[in-house]
Amino acid sequence: QVQLQESGPGLVKPSETLSLTCTVSGDSIQTYYWTWIRQSAGKGLEWIGRIHRSGHTQYNPSLGSRVSMSIDTSKNQFSLRLTSVTAADTAVYYCARDRIPDGYYFDFWGQGTLVTVSS
Amino acid sequence: DIQMTQSPPSLSSSIGDSVTITCRASQSITTFLNWYQQKLGNAPKLLIFGASTLQSGVPSRFSGSGSGTDFTLTISNLQPEDFATYYCQQSYSSPLTFGGGTKVEIK
Repeated sequence: QVQLQESGPGLVKPSETLSLTCTVSGDSIQTYYWTWIRQSAGKGLEWIGRIHRSGHTQYNPSLGSRVSMSIDTSKNQFSLRLTSVTAADTAVYYCARDRIPDGYYFDFWGQGTLVTVSS
Repeated sequence: DIQMTQSPPSLSSSIGDSVTITCRASQSITTFLNWYQQKLGNAPKLLIFGASTLQSGVPSRFSGSGSGTDFTLTISNLQPEDFATYYCQQSYSSPLTFGGGTKVEIK
């Protein structure tokens, strides 16, 4: 069974950088794409972006240049970095498996981690 | 960006009822439409992908249909464990987008 687990600080100060890691078990991170999604009360579910083991990434333009992702195949992990955070970035952050190329859906999700932006 | 509009935002139904949730895309997405169920405090769970294909392990009382811009999720014979919030999501083009959700409550 594929499992994903998010980890990282639950509290980030305004203007600082949010960093999260997703550890995958039960599947090799060398398959498919891997994605980040967040959920806040104000904006519902928002797709942040995705990454492939090749390093190919796609990001939501709404986040501009603040977002970046990386992947570590040796640790079966992928990571999210969001810079210059504000209160609007407060959300539950999920990582998920993105079933490209044989499907276009998120079939396994992490449990989510709440990140609060506050001083 | 492709906007996904769900209706209704919430509904109340009884055990055994059949309910239908609608999702409309702002442009054609062919059948690149997925449905998720989310229970309070949990991550969303994939129910249906490709507009009508049931994910493995999902009960057959869930069904999806539609293509182009209009889609529906139908839950037949509503069970206690089906009371949750349901989201549609388009995977036709980036950025991927979700509907605002439909909360199914017990009447």
